[in-house]
Amino acid sequence: DIVMTQSPDSLAVSLGERATINCTSSQSVLWDSNNKNYLGWYQQKPGQPPKLLIYWASTRASGVPDRFSGSGSGTHFTLTISCLQAEDVAVYYCQQHYSNPPTFGQGTKLEIK
Amino acid sequence: VQLLESGGGLVQPGGSLRLSCVASGFTFSKYTLTWVRQAPGKGLEWISHITGDGKNTYYADSVKGRFTISRDNSKSSLFLQMSSLRAEDTAIYFCAKDRREDSSYPHFDSWGQGTLVTVSS
Repeated sequence: DIVMTQSPDSLAVSLGERATINCTSSQSVLWDSNNKNYLGWYQQKPGQPPKLLIYWASTRASGVPDRFSGSGSGTHFTLTISCLQAEDVAVYYCQQHYSNPPTFGQGTKLEIK
Repeated sequence: VQLLESGGGLVQPGGSLRLSCVASGFTFSKYTLTWVRQAPGKGLEWISHITGDGKNTYYADSVKGRFTISRDNSKSSLFLQMSSLRAEDTAIYFCAKDRREDSSYPHFDSWGQGTLVTVSS
């Protein structure tokens, strides 16, 4: 199984500042035949199901504000929130779907400083 | 797209429960569907998925042999039959839809609100 590890486990950032969350996979999730990274990011607010933010490591899902961006390739990935808003307080998860079983990172809790 | 889970509740250790997820708003038979659970205060755990045609199923080691996933494409419904339940199965169970058609390697663009399963005596 591919192990997904996120850092940090928790993060406090001031409103309007940048938040950066990292995700590392135990093996590459880059599919050579199409040059796509099989990596997604989700946001989960308290009492709600997760919401897909980013797929293919860097493509924003429909309706996701452009302050959210994803980057990275192979085994190292980053989710960046460029200008933190109060409504961005949540737990963020990365997930690989390169191979079965699909696996999630442990989550990063983002709070306002 | 809507996904609506039901069937959760309180069950004793060793007992059984059947979860359902009714879907609408998309061509049900074209998409892999997945059960993901979340224990209280914990992260997300994939436990099982089934391809659109129902021919291929996958299970986490933690539930293999105890849980069975199935679907009824004529009723746009997904099921999870759970048996030999343990305290560590206590969680919110979400059904989730794959973003892509005809994929066996899912990631999830739609989620239900979840149904709570509590295993306790």
